[in-house]
Amino acid sequence: DTGVSQNPRHKITKRGQNVTFRCDPISEHNRLYWYRQTLGQGPEFLTYFQNEAQLEKSRLLSDRFSAERPKGSFSTLEIQRTEQGDSAMYLCASSLVPLSQGKLFFGSGTQLSVL
Amino acid sequence: DAKTTQPTSMDCAEGRAANLPCNHSTISGNEYVYWYRQIHSQGPQYIIHGLKNNETNEMASLIITEDRKSSTLILPHATLRDTAVYYCIVRVENSGTYKYIFGTGTRLKVLA
Repeated sequence: DTGVSQNPRHKITKRGQNVTFRCDPISEHNRLYWYRQTLGQGPEFLTYFQNEAQLEKSRLLSDRFSAERPKGSFSTLEIQRTEQGDSAMYLCASSLVPLSQGKLFFGSGTQLSVL
Repeated sequence: DAKTTQPTSMDCAEGRAANLPCNHSTISGNEYVYWYRQIHSQGPQYIIHGLKNNETNEMASLIITEDRKSSTLILPHATLRDTAVYYCIVRVENSGTYKYIFGTGTRLKVLA
């Protein structure tokens, strides 16, 4: 168990550029979540996968955001045409249902700064 | 969207018990309460969860009121390393999918 890994840890980009983040969940975890966190706030739910199927997307996830989890292993979150309001910490979490009793295991996040 | 309310901040003396309250008055019968904590620059870390009964593990105890409208997380002997933001979360179920709704949390400061 090497934990949830997120790359990169930090990303600085210019407004209008596209960015992609990667999340490697704990091996064999079947559920994967993406959250966004801004300073002083709790994490906000973005989207959720059960294996390779994306089961729910928050209304926070505009058309510029897309997430994938091909083959039910790692996941990517892409933001197109970034805006300054996208600056936040993007957190990934994984879970093994039912064995982990609903516990989410979080990565350390990707900190995005849009200039 | 958050289904929980928590005090913004609390202080606790090192070695004393830290009691962190949470209100979840709109919780439904099958919704679990989870507690996580987040230390600066890290992802949230699981602490404990429960449905109706009180729970205890190596990290903490969770006391849930009989009407389930509130709960208290207890750190029995707080240390400086327990300084963190503590989140009380209700896990919402919808057609077999689960969503964990975070509030703004309680910033606990353990004082030497």
